[in-house]
Amino acid sequence: AQSVTQPDIHITVSEGASLELRCNYSYGATPYLFWYVQSPGQGLQLLLKYFSGDTLVQGIKGFEAEFKRSQSSFNLRKPSVHWSDAAEYFCAVGGRPGNNDMRFGAGTRLTVKP
Amino acid sequence: NAGVTQTPKFQVLKTGQSMTLQCAQDMNHNSMYWYRQDPGMGLRLIYYSASEGTTDKGEVPNGYNVSRLNKREFSLRLESAAPSQTSVYFCASRGQVNQPQHFGDGTRLSIL
Repeated sequence: AQSVTQPDIHITVSEGASLELRCNYSYGATPYLFWYVQSPGQGLQLLLKYFSGDTLVQGIKGFEAEFKRSQSSFNLRKPSVHWSDAAEYFCAVGGRPGNNDMRFGAGTRLTVKP
Repeated sequence: NAGVTQTPKFQVLKTGQSMTLQCAQDMNHNSMYWYRQDPGMGLRLIYYSASEGTTDKGEVPNGYNVSRLNKREFSLRLESAAPSQTSVYFCASRGQVNQPQHFGDGTRLSIL
């Protein structure tokens, strides 16, 4: 069965610093991978997705993620964090044809220091 | 511009009461999902429906039932609520297989 691990429960970075959020997955085939962001009291908003092709994908709000098959990872990055990026971030895997099951990681909460 | 609509937004129940959470999407999506979100656990899939007329269990289906009433609506029912079901519940929908899920704003459910 597919699964997702986000090793960092909580990360604090200073505004303007770079950010990397880690995501490792377990899946029997080439996965569909997603990063979502959730602000307090809100639903989840898609940041970016990987289905195939270029392993470096660009998303909204200046985020990018790199798919590394050899490491079973899909880490999220941003070169310069803004205070408004403070939120919870979720990595997800699944949803390929014939398999509508989607699994999410436990989330990483990002705090941004002024 | 509604997307995925969940009702109610908040609810308090007593142990043993029953309740149905409603979800509707206006994007003509085939697949719909119910998740619960608990601190430190992320989102866990309760049930999903790949298409109208089909439903499948996810990770944590015990204590829940679902109905895919039509293509637009996917409801989640708690027959006999328990305190362990206190959570935030999210409904999501997805169109084609190469598309991401769209989420509702959640239902905050407390069971006393």
